[in-house]
Amino acid sequence: DAGVTQSPTHLIKTRGQQVTLRCSPKSGHDTVSWYQQALGQGPQFIFQYYEEEERQRGNFPDRFSGHQFPNYSSELNVNALLLGDSALYLCASSLGGNSNQPQHFGDGTRLSIL
Amino acid sequence: LAKTTQPISMDSYEGQEVNITCSHNNIATNDYITWYQQFPSQGPRFIIQGYKTKVTNEVASLFIPADRKSSTLSLPRVSLSDTAVYYCLVGDGRGGSYIPTFGRGTSLIVHP
Repeated sequence: DAGVTQSPTHLIKTRGQQVTLRCSPKSGHDTVSWYQQALGQGPQFIFQYYEEEERQRGNFPDRFSGHQFPNYSSELNVNALLLGDSALYLCASSLGGNSNQPQHFGDGTRLSIL
Repeated sequence: LAKTTQPISMDSYEGQEVNITCSHNNIATNDYITWYQQFPSQGPRFIIQGYKTKVTNEVASLFIPADRKSSTLSLPRVSLSDTAVYYCLVGDGRGGSYIPTFGRGTSLIVHP
């Protein structure tokens, strides 16, 4: 039973560039959430996708956008990268679009901005 | 906003019981309380979830008082492998939507 998988595991970009991160949810899950985790901090909720639509959004600018595909996998896009975007980006999946459901997390993509 | 407050760090020894308390004074009526464990360079792992009173599974217990303004995660007989950051998670409850809000977590160090 495959868990949540994320790619790539590490990525280095420069300021102003754009990046796309990918996530495949746990088998049987249909809801994907994205988080940003800065060093020493807890994960911060970016947004959640369910039925290919953004359902909830945290306090992140429009530079952060996403997409969910019919197979429930998801992408996180970040435009005009800033130094402050350097962080671990976590994807979590759950079932049914209900955010109270326990989430299964991947091990993240470490994004470094130079 | 349903903020959470946890101790920043705790120390324990192998074989002891560890209790980590989380305060969430503004928890919304429909919110569940969920605890996660996170090791370095890994994503958080679900430990336990509850709504009220007491919940127990094979790894932990969760105690929630009647007013639900706090919760206590209890880890029985910890081992070195329980050294990790523990997060208490409740919903934001903003505008009827649920925004998962992690606190800063509690760094638990288990000593031999």
